[in-house]
Amino acid sequence: AQKVTQAQTEISVVEKEDVTLDCVYETRDTTYYLFWYKQPPSGELVFLIRRNSFDEQNEISGRYSWNFQKSTSSFNFTITASQVVDSAVYFCALSGTLSGTYKYIFGTGTRLKVLA
Amino acid sequence: NAGVTQTPKFRVLKTGQSMTLLCAQDMNHEYMYWYRQDPGMGLRLIHYSVGEGTTAKGEVPDGYNVSRLKKQNFLLGLESAAPSQTSVYFCASMAGSINSPLHFGNGTRLTVT
Repeated sequence: AQKVTQAQTEISVVEKEDVTLDCVYETRDTTYYLFWYKQPPSGELVFLIRRNSFDEQNEISGRYSWNFQKSTSSFNFTITASQVVDSAVYFCALSGTLSGTYKYIFGTGTRLKVLA
Repeated sequence: NAGVTQTPKFRVLKTGQSMTLLCAQDMNHEYMYWYRQDPGMGLRLIHYSVGEGTTAKGEVPDGYNVSRLKKQNFLLGLESAAPSQTSVYFCASMAGSINSPLHFGNGTRLTVT
């Protein structure tokens, strides 16, 4: 079965601290994709990044970076020098074909609070 | 540049009432999805559609029905609303390849009293 686990329910940091959001997944697919979405207080869901199962290179985009490790089935998300605007709920998701036609399985989300 | 549009944005129902949530996308996407979001439970898939005229059950389909008569529209129906269906509902669409991200609507907040 496919599963995504975000064990951190809520994290609070002070502005300018670095923070890492954990995502662990389970799948029997050999080809799959992992995603991160952000849900700010306004409620919409914003796509942040996609990573395929064959590409384990880390990715950096400004203050955001992602670490994909197949050996530990993890796809962690780090925010460097956090800002109040980073306060949101962050979801990790997995897509693959094993469980059916392109079903996207989401984790339960991590609420990040960045305090000024 | 509308993307995915959900109507209504808010709704309050009494137990036993029925309603339909409408999702419309203008990106010519094949796949469409309905999720519900509840505190501590993330996003759970209710129903989805892989193309016009097709629908399939997700994780939590009970109490809901869907229809995809036109490619751009995906309707979610509640025939007899229950308080357990109080939630935020998100519609999403996807181009149709495994690496495509989901594009979400802004959500519908439904309260059943």
